[in-house]
Amino acid sequence: GIQVEQSPPDLILQEGANSTLRCNFSDSVNNLQWFHQNPWGQLINLFYIPSGTKQNGRLSATTVATERYSLLYISSSQTTDSGVYFCAVAYNQGGKLIFGQGTELSVKP
Amino acid sequence: DTAVSQTPKYLVTQMGNDKSIKCEQNLGHDTMYWYKQDSKKFLKIMFSYNNKELIINETVPNRFSPKSPDKAHLNLHINSLELGDSAVYFCASSQESGGGQETQYFGPGTRLLVL
Repeated sequence: GIQVEQSPPDLILQEGANSTLRCNFSDSVNNLQWFHQNPWGQLINLFYIPSGTKQNGRLSATTVATERYSLLYISSSQTTDSGVYFCAVAYNQGGKLIFGQGTELSVKP
Repeated sequence: DTAVSQTPKYLVTQMGNDKSIKCEQNLGHDTMYWYKQDSKKFLKIMFSYNNKELIINETVPNRFSPKSPDKAHLNLHINSLELGDSAVYFCASSQESGGGQETQYFGPGTRLLVL
């Protein structure tokens, strides 16, 4: 089945810094979502981005489907950005999402 | 207005017991899912239902039985709970027709601890 790999596994930032998280996937997909799991465990939708570029405030994402990767950019990080960022993909099969292992981000004040 | 809700949020129980987790979505979606997040935070699909019909059963032990009374509800019943069932269970929904092209929205999760 399709493989999803995220990097880096862990990231520590000083407040105000920028970062880029990467998601590689091993086959063609027709759904790619980025999630933020906050310290309380909630999974928050960030982007639905099977291709192209989207921006939402300090966050933006780019998926290059032909090269099978997606990037999540966080600018001017804040302590509330801390948590785990997951990339998940789907390719038919009833829409099941296959998750990467996540990037654990810690933003220090 | 909570889009996808789950009850209970926390569940602590003894090995061997039977328990249920309920999920409801008010988004008008046709498809609902159960995912399991283990202690290493890895998320994996368990089941999906489309209009009350089972679509995905991802080799989950038959102690787990999903039930969908209508397309807005998907409940998860677990028999004879084992220590390894301790995890966070997430319900999700999407306007899915089988092609995987729709955004999935997740509930707040149910934290199950089996003692």
